[in-house]
Amino acid sequence: SQQGEEDPQALSIQEGENATMNCSYKTSINNLQWYRQNSGRGLVHLILIRSNEREKHSGRLRVTLDTSKKSSSLLITASRAADTASYFCATDPVLSGTYKYIFGTGTRLKVLA
Amino acid sequence: EAGVTQSPTHLIKTRGQQATLRCSPISGHTSVYWYQQALGLGLQFLLWYDEGEERNRGNFPPRFSGRQFPNYSSELNVNALELEDSALYLCATREGIKTSVDNVLTFGAGSRLTVL
Repeated sequence: SQQGEEDPQALSIQEGENATMNCSYKTSINNLQWYRQNSGRGLVHLILIRSNEREKHSGRLRVTLDTSKKSSSLLITASRAADTASYFCATDPVLSGTYKYIFGTGTRLKVLA
Repeated sequence: EAGVTQSPTHLIKTRGQQATLRCSPISGHTSVYWYQQALGLGLQFLLWYDEGEERNRGNFPPRFSGRQFPNYSSELNVNALELEDSALYLCATREGIKTSVDNVLTFGAGSRLTVL
């Protein structure tokens, strides 16, 4: 099964609203990363949060991490139509020698103009 | 600076044939990851190469193989193609594991393989 599981699977909001998506994972991690994928293209890195951090901001993005619950959330504030994309979390498990980035199934965000 | 480049962009094959996909990393990146993304689904980890060696492998049959060349570019080979191999194949690269553990992946635009 996937290390990371995002929810909701799909989210539709109006432009200007905030979008929140969540990610759960199973094992201890070095860090958690969020990526964005526009339709049928490669992923683009958005933000990384280390296991010893609880919150991080980057522009309109806010990421939180709760290692006790093994979960993270990504908040996009004041969403725009251009934010329409799929969003994935990826974890880098603390497993000896793996450095294997495991992606979740993604949240499909649609921002309506 | 050029990004991660993948070729071909699209590839159409028939069942039983072989497919070869290529990836060129960003200058300075020595680690190459391959992922399979079936339509509408998440990314499934295929292979990871670092400094010319296969470091890790996902839960895929042996007909999925690859290699990394001395210039750190990489090739993914899929033999005896099956219909369910139809997917977007994504290559991602990063600095080598001897650098920071906080490295992130830089993705190529992907190669879409269609098996008829």
